[in-house]
Amino acid sequence: GAVVSQHPSRVICKSGTSVKIECRSLDFQATTMFWYRQFPKQSLMLMATSNEGSKATYEQGVEKDKFLINHASLTLSTLTVTSAHPEDSSFYICSAAQGFGGELFFGEGSRLTVL
Amino acid sequence: DAKTTQPNSMESNEEEPVHLPCNHSTISGTDYIHWYRQLPSQGPEYVIHGLTSNVNNRMASLAIAEDRKSSTLILHRATLRDAAVYYCIRERGNKLVFGAGTILRVKS
Repeated sequence: GAVVSQHPSRVICKSGTSVKIECRSLDFQATTMFWYRQFPKQSLMLMATSNEGSKATYEQGVEKDKFLINHASLTLSTLTVTSAHPEDSSFYICSAAQGFGGELFFGEGSRLTVL
Repeated sequence: DAKTTQPNSMESNEEEPVHLPCNHSTISGTDYIHWYRQLPSQGPEYVIHGLTSNVNNRMASLAIAEDRKSSTLILHRATLRDAAVYYCIRERGNKLVFGAGTILRVKS
């Protein structure tokens, strides 16, 4: 079946640095991908909708300059956490779909720890 | 509000059926109802989805009320591997907005 893969699965960085997380759809093309973050013992919070070839759409309260999203191809979206701080430490998850009204496929998640 | 309402937690015995309820009283006519489950430190896993009719697949069944304001996920025989957080979600244009979900515990 369709698979969405994220890389890296875990990353530790120093405060003030930037971190890039990749989300790939391995066997299908995704014009739209979604980025979520999840804090411990909480639900997933939708951050933004990543649109291939155009600007991402951010949810209310999510800083677009802080969380840069690039969707350069139909199989790859990247999330860059800029000038990371300890409060950005979280589990970041992406999802993608082949069409509308069907199953959405989620990546394995990327755990970011900012020291 | 696009979020759904689910019980915080439920418990089931192994090998018995489990009925997980969900309320989505403000759902619109074109919103799909999706169910996903999540294990700790993993991405959500698709379980089932539907629009109006009841749905069955190898994992579960989804019973949707006639007025679409509620639905029930049915696991026919719970196993220990079914212990997870189950999310009932309204989907519009592939956009999923997660609520708090139901923690399902399965006792052996």
